[in-house]
Amino acid sequence: QSVLTQPPSASGTPGQRVTISCSGSSSDIGSNTVNWYQQLPGTAPKLLIHSNNQRPSGVPDRFSGSKSGTSASLAISGLQSQDEADYYCAAWDDSLNGFYVFGTGTKVTVL
Amino acid sequence: EVQLLESGGALVQPGESLRLSCAASGFIFSSYAMSWVRQAPGKGLEWVSVISGNGESTHSADSVKGRLTISRDNSKNTLYLQMNSLRVEDTAVYYCAKERGYYGSGIGFDYWGQGTLVTVSS
Repeated sequence: QSVLTQPPSASGTPGQRVTISCSGSSSDIGSNTVNWYQQLPGTAPKLLIHSNNQRPSGVPDRFSGSKSGTSASLAISGLQSQDEADYYCAAWDDSLNGFYVFGTGTKVTVL
Repeated sequence: EVQLLESGGALVQPGESLRLSCAASGFIFSSYAMSWVRQAPGKGLEWVSVISGNGESTHSADSVKGRLTISRDNSKNTLYLQMNSLRVEDTAVYYCAKERGYYGSGIGFDYWGQGTLVTVSS
């Protein structure tokens, strides 16, 4: 089963804007919505963006998501030190009987 | 308040079995699909299995099919993962996760447990 492709790392200084890409295929991102998760060190993942661009209650509007074709992206504006974490995209894949697929993960470092 | 509490993780030898549990509270358990997601040490997230709210539909990743079986007891608000014929590569933290919607909706896991560690080693 496939995975979604993300850059292994991204970085920025406080206040900057950082963008993370997520590349998939016609059976996953191309056919279904994309979700993004934030995993702080030593903790469980947290839903950051669902349905391509929707923020759950409590998630700052500094985080935004978008999708186009078989790719998606997460943008963090006004980068803060507490944003240093691993970020994963995810989507349902319609292949065969269907399954969930996660991205490879991106480590965001605040310089 | 939604809470998911996993238990059952342990150190086992290759070929042995283990059953993980996830006790849920704070929401109508039977109304939501649930999944298990695992994370090997230092690695990324890997989806393992999903089960529908009524328990009638399940699906698992190819890597665990036939060995790891998801189930649920809605009368006890509890999700299970029966793990048989364990392999070294099954070593991971196992998280249970609540879906925002129905089975296969793919609209995100909005609550996660704290995880339970399974170590398979001789």
